[in-house]
Amino acid sequence: QVQLVESGGGVVQPGRSLRLSCAASGFTFSNYAMHWVRQAPGKGLEWVAVISYDGRNKYYTDSVKGRFTISRDNSKNTLYLQMITVRAADTAMYYCATSITMLRGVPGDWGQGTLVTVSS
Amino acid sequence: DIQMTQSPSSLSASVGDRVTITCRASQSISNYLNWYRQKPGKAPELLIYAASSLQSGVPSRFSGSGSGTDFTLTIRGLQLEDFATYYCQQSYNIPQKFGQGTKVEIK
Repeated sequence: QVQLVESGGGVVQPGRSLRLSCAASGFTFSNYAMHWVRQAPGKGLEWVAVISYDGRNKYYTDSVKGRFTISRDNSKNTLYLQMITVRAADTAMYYCATSITMLRGVPGDWGQGTLVTVSS
Repeated sequence: DIQMTQSPSSLSASVGDRVTITCRASQSISNYLNWYRQKPGKAPELLIYAASSLQSGVPSRFSGSGSGTDFTLTIRGLQLEDFATYYCQQSYNIPQKFGQGTKVEIK
């Protein structure tokens, strides 16, 4: 049974950094691409980034390019999202999700999310 | 970027009703269209992928259709757990985009 558990969220000041983690279990993590998707309070879903199964290829939405870095450690079955120079607009619930492929992959299984609040 | 537009933004329905939600892409996405249900306070759940394929474990009252730019999600026999928000999503290219959502409320 697929389980994805996000952590690392919290209150962070504008301009500071934060690293989110997504611990995976119940499936062969190293065989799957992984996504981050976020949802601002009361708003819709926004796709953020995707990483290939081996970590070699990564893509981002424009609003986070140069500020967020997606990475993974297949030996630890863990996905990461390093966030720097955060902004108020980054305030959201952040979800990780699996997909069989990276390009044209469908986010299938989702974690329950970790909340990031950017506020001074 | 490909923009996704859902309609309606919200609707009211009763248990047992048939509900239809539409999603339009700003350019052709073939059949790379997915549908999600999100219950309040919960993570989204994948219902339909590739426009019309039912995700494993999803009840057969859910169905999807369409290709190119126009897509439809149909729920036949609405259940209490279906009062939620529904999102379409294109996985044709990067950045993947979601529609703005359709909230299904109890009449």
